[in-house]
Amino acid sequence: EVQLLQSGGTLVQPGGSLRLSCAASGFTFGAYAMNWVRQAPGKGLEWVSAITGASASIYYTHSVKGRFTISRDNSMSTLYLHMNSLRAEDTAVYYCVKEGGDYGDHPFDNWGQGTLVTVSS
Amino acid sequence: QSVLTQPPSASGTPGQTVTISCSGSSSNIGIKNVHWYQQVPGTAPKLLIYSTNKWPSGVPDRFSGSKSGTSASLAISGLQPEDEADYYCVAWDDSLSGWVFGGGTKVTVL
Repeated sequence: EVQLLQSGGTLVQPGGSLRLSCAASGFTFGAYAMNWVRQAPGKGLEWVSAITGASASIYYTHSVKGRFTISRDNSMSTLYLHMNSLRAEDTAVYYCVKEGGDYGDHPFDNWGQGTLVTVSS
Repeated sequence: QSVLTQPPSASGTPGQTVTISCSGSSSNIGIKNVHWYQQVPGTAPKLLIYSTNKWPSGVPDRFSGSKSGTSASLAISGLQPEDEADYYCVAWDDSLSGWVFGGGTKVTVL
C-alpha cells in the first residue's frame, strides 16, 4: 500500500523559512515523479512544484520560483520542500503527491494527508 | 484566476446527470491528457478519471470523462448524495512547464 506521510507544517512569520518533508513507502520511490500541491483556506487546488524520479527535471509555479526548492532523497524515500521568504499568501495546506509515472503527464495517483503552513505575525 | 476554467457550481437531484466543463487552451488540454479529482471538504483529493476517460480501480462508471479540442468534460450520471463534493480538472501546460488546475466545481445534490 502506498503511503505518503507528511511533516513540517507550522506557524511561521512572514519572511521566515520552513522545510516540509514527505516520507514515502509502498512503492519504488525513485521511479516516480513527485509533486507538491497546495490549497489555501477555502480556495482551490494549486500546483506548486514537481521533480522527476532522478531529480533530472524540476519545475515550479511562477509565484514560488526563487523562494521554494523541491528536492528528494531516493535512498531515504523522502521528498522535501524548502520554503524561504514566506508570505501571507503562502498560507495553505500543502499536499505531497505521487505521479503515476516519471516523465510524461501522468495523473496524481496518491496524495499525502496534507500539512498546514500558516504565515502570520 | 485559474488557467483552466470550470463553472463554480453545479447541482442536480438524485438520479440525474450533472456535467462539469473544463476549458483550456492549445498548450494544455489541446495536446495533453486531462485528469479529474474529487475532493470532499477536509480530505485529500481523490483521482476520479485519468487520461481524459479512464477509471482508476474502485471508481464507479457513473463517472465519465471526455475531451474535444481545448475543452474537457466530466459527467456524473445517476447522481447520488455521496457525490456532493468539489471537482477539479488538471492538465500539464507546455507553455508554463507546469501543471494547471481548474478553479473547482462544487456539486450539490438537491
